[in-house]
Amino acid sequence: GAVVSQHPSWVICKSGTSVKIECRSLDFQATTMFWYRQFPKQSLMLMATSNEGSKATYEQGVEKDKFLINHASLTLSTLTVTSAHPEDSSFYICSAIPPTNTEAFFGQGTRLTVV
Amino acid sequence: GQQVMQIPQYQHVQEGEDFTTYCNSSTTLSNIQWYKQRPGGHPVFLIQLVKSGEVKKQKRLTFQFGEAKKNSSLHITATQTTDVGTYFCAGPRDSNYQLIWGAGTKLIIKP
Repeated sequence: GAVVSQHPSWVICKSGTSVKIECRSLDFQATTMFWYRQFPKQSLMLMATSNEGSKATYEQGVEKDKFLINHASLTLSTLTVTSAHPEDSSFYICSAIPPTNTEAFFGQGTRLTVV
Repeated sequence: GQQVMQIPQYQHVQEGEDFTTYCNSSTTLSNIQWYKQRPGGHPVFLIQLVKSGEVKKQKRLTFQFGEAKKNSSLHITATQTTDVGTYFCAGPRDSNYQLIWGAGTKLIIKP
């Protein structure tokens, strides 16, 4: 199957700092990637749809100025959590759907802890 | 808006017992997909159902898609410790490539 790589897999940062998470499609081009957030014992919550070469589409209630998304190439999307606070601590996962498929392939996820 | 409901939220079973999770969509789906997420891991695609009334099997896992293409189920026969995890269903959103996710059912094997 297709491969989506996410980095880093875990990160600890201080309150007020920013953290960048990368999501790469390794063997296909992804014009669209999806960013999810998952709280412990809960389902996936779609945060935004990342569109190559244009602005991301954010879900209702997600602050676009806090969660900056950049999709500068067909194989890379980044999510930057700006001015992180402890309540931003969560598991962030990206996914992409290859052009010839309908199923989603996920990155390994990034566990963010803000102290 | 379009929703996918999934029940139960948790299911505790003894090893060797069966497990079933159910999904219900508010709208007719072109397909439904099932994913498994192991503890600490990311969701991994299991299968996609497309046809009305379709039934697919993967070893001890049986997937069904309802006649109206609005509901689906996953049944695991004789659960094993390797089956532990959360099972999610997902269907495509009407307007774009996004998937609408069920809340997931966590399979827990009693010690």
